[in-house]
Amino acid sequence: QSVLTQSPSASGTPGQRVTISCSGSSSNIGSNYVYWYQQLPGTAPKLLIYWNNHRPSGVPDRFSGSKSGTSASLAISGLRSEDEADYYCAAWDDRLNAVVFGGGTKLTVL
Amino acid sequence: QVQLQESGPGLVKPSETLSLNCNVSGGSISSDYWTWIRQFPGKGLEWIGYISYTGNTNYNPSLKSRVTMSVDTSKRQFSLKVKSVTAADTALYFCARQYSNGWFNDWGQGTLVTVSS
Repeated sequence: QSVLTQSPSASGTPGQRVTISCSGSSSNIGSNYVYWYQQLPGTAPKLLIYWNNHRPSGVPDRFSGSKSGTSASLAISGLRSEDEADYYCAAWDDRLNAVVFGGGTKLTVL
Repeated sequence: QVQLQESGPGLVKPSETLSLNCNVSGGSISSDYWTWIRQFPGKGLEWIGYISYTGNTNYNPSLKSRVTMSVDTSKRQFSLKVKSVTAADTALYFCARQYSNGWFNDWGQGTLVTVSS
């Protein structure tokens, strides 16, 4: 069982806006930054969002992150077929003294 | 961006030691933190720990008793050892550059390690 909770799957049609959620606790999301990763099939995860809502250079502004209390969300607007991937959230956990990940959400573009 | 490449045996026997190397190219190893992350067959990710270029380490407490990391800046390489492995250690092992806790900026392609007799 992952420390951070994500829905196993999400879906949307091209052009739609999709939101992926990540739920944690006061020891992780509630007190530390959240990061989001995209993993395309057969590849390593790629950083999408850092410090809750910042995008690295090269990441389209269709991707946005937010955090409220002990939960965080990744929103993808203008959904495209190439967005079909697994998405993971991550954060430091003060109680476990470790980086913890969500179980991942598989996004399907219908 | 640096490039990272994992190497090591793809098959390890139970109770033996898993050993992996990560070669860093296209940038300096003498900054930031160098980390190992593994992905289980069910796709879950687990942070194993990091080592700095000076040799300071921070291991996941759940693995601390079995994990050792080292760095060789002259070879631009850092390494992972996991002792007393079991089938539960079967995973895709990634090395990555860590800017801060949770921020993994550059990743290797991963290397599959299977623990089996």
